[in-house]
Amino acid sequence: AQTVTQSQPEMSVQEAETVTLSCTYDTSESDYYLFWYKQPPSRQMILVIRQEAYKQQNATENRFSVNFQKAAKSFSLKISDSQLGDAAMYFCAYRSARGTYKYIFGTGTRLKVLA
Amino acid sequence: EPEVTQTPSHQVTQMGQEVILRCVPISNHLYFYWYRQILGQKVEFLVSFYNNEISEKSEIFDDQFSVERPDGSNFTLKIRSTKLEDSAMYFCASKTSQGAGGTEAFFGQGTRLTVV
Repeated sequence: AQTVTQSQPEMSVQEAETVTLSCTYDTSESDYYLFWYKQPPSRQMILVIRQEAYKQQNATENRFSVNFQKAAKSFSLKISDSQLGDAAMYFCAYRSARGTYKYIFGTGTRLKVLA
Repeated sequence: EPEVTQTPSHQVTQMGQEVILRCVPISNHLYFYWYRQILGQKVEFLVSFYNNEISEKSEIFDDQFSVERPDGSNFTLKIRSTKLEDSAMYFCASKTSQGAGGTEAFFGQGTRLTVV
């Protein structure tokens, strides 16, 4: 069975600085997708970025980028130029490329942005 | 932009009562899901639904739970006899099907269920 681990329950970053959130996963599959979701206090799940396992190039979305290390099963999220609006819970998620496509989430990292 | 819509946003119910949580997935999507998040904990998969039947369910999804797509647009989660531990945020999600897995799932804004 697949698992997703986020070992940082909470992180803090100064406004305008860069922060990296860690995520590791375990799977025996070769084809899958990885995601980072943001959950602000409203508790809505908002997609931040996704990575296809078959792509070697790391995904980027504006200030958000990932460091995808397939062999190490590591998928970290880097937030550059942190803004107050980035403060939220961040969940790493895994999804197989076959079957029912259900998501498996990590336990989340709460990010605080300090003014 | 299309979105998944859930109603109600907050439901309070007495223990032992039945509740129905409603979701309107994105219209051309084919896969539907319910997830649960107990306060302060991670998001957990409950059930997936495809082609008018359950395709996978977790251990949490016991006989007290059922899902239905009654009219081709709504997707409902019913809890027959609620327990205190059913108090959680319930998220509906839907996904289209394109190629090898297609796009990401789109999540609704959630229904906060409080059992008293």
